[in-house]
Amino acid sequence: GDSVTQMEGPVTLSEEAFLTINCTYTATGYPSLFWYVQYPGEGLQLLLKATKADDKGSNKGFEATYRKETTSFHLEKGSVQVSDSAVYFCALLPNTGNQFYFGTGTSLTVIP
Amino acid sequence: ETGVTQSPTHLIKTRGQQVTLRCSSQSGHNTVSWYQQALGQGPQFIFQYYREEENGRGNFPPRFSGLQFPNYSSELNVNALELDDSALYLCASSGTGLGETQYFGPGTRLLVL
Repeated sequence: GDSVTQMEGPVTLSEEAFLTINCTYTATGYPSLFWYVQYPGEGLQLLLKATKADDKGSNKGFEATYRKETTSFHLEKGSVQVSDSAVYFCALLPNTGNQFYFGTGTSLTVIP
Repeated sequence: ETGVTQSPTHLIKTRGQQVTLRCSSQSGHNTVSWYQQALGQGPQFIFQYYREEENGRGNFPPRFSGLQFPNYSSELNVNALELDDSALYLCASSGTGLGETQYFGPGTRLLVL
């Protein structure tokens, strides 16, 4: 069935460090892929998305490229800030379904 | 444009009780999905409502039920609460196009004692 496997955390980085959070998926067909972010005590906010192979989603300095050949959608940011501290969720939406499948989340802490 | 809102923000119940959680969808959205997020886990799909009808269901027992109203707002009802029902319950609204993004509310945190 459809599923998402996400890099386990927690991840701790110094400010201005480079960030990569790995995400791979299993799905039939061509799902849409998403990254959501959850700040403490809040719901999920859409960070970026990609709906077809080779698409790159980007927002607030974060990027992720939909790689069909490696079934991956890794999240990257060149220089993290303290305000990026949150839990990041990779998710997929099958092209024939209506439910999102989420990874288990990766907690990121950025220290000054 | 009004975002997704949920009420209440927090709730404490005892085992065996029933609970109703509410969600107002984002303006222009006619589809509402409900998710359960246990502590330290990703959200798990409970069900989705479209035009007042259930439109897909995850692996949750029948004591989890829902409604959608003509204004597209929605309720999640849970009967016979169990300790494991303690979680953050998230509502998400979306349009009906293929690959539509779901926009989440802040959630209702339920604690079952």
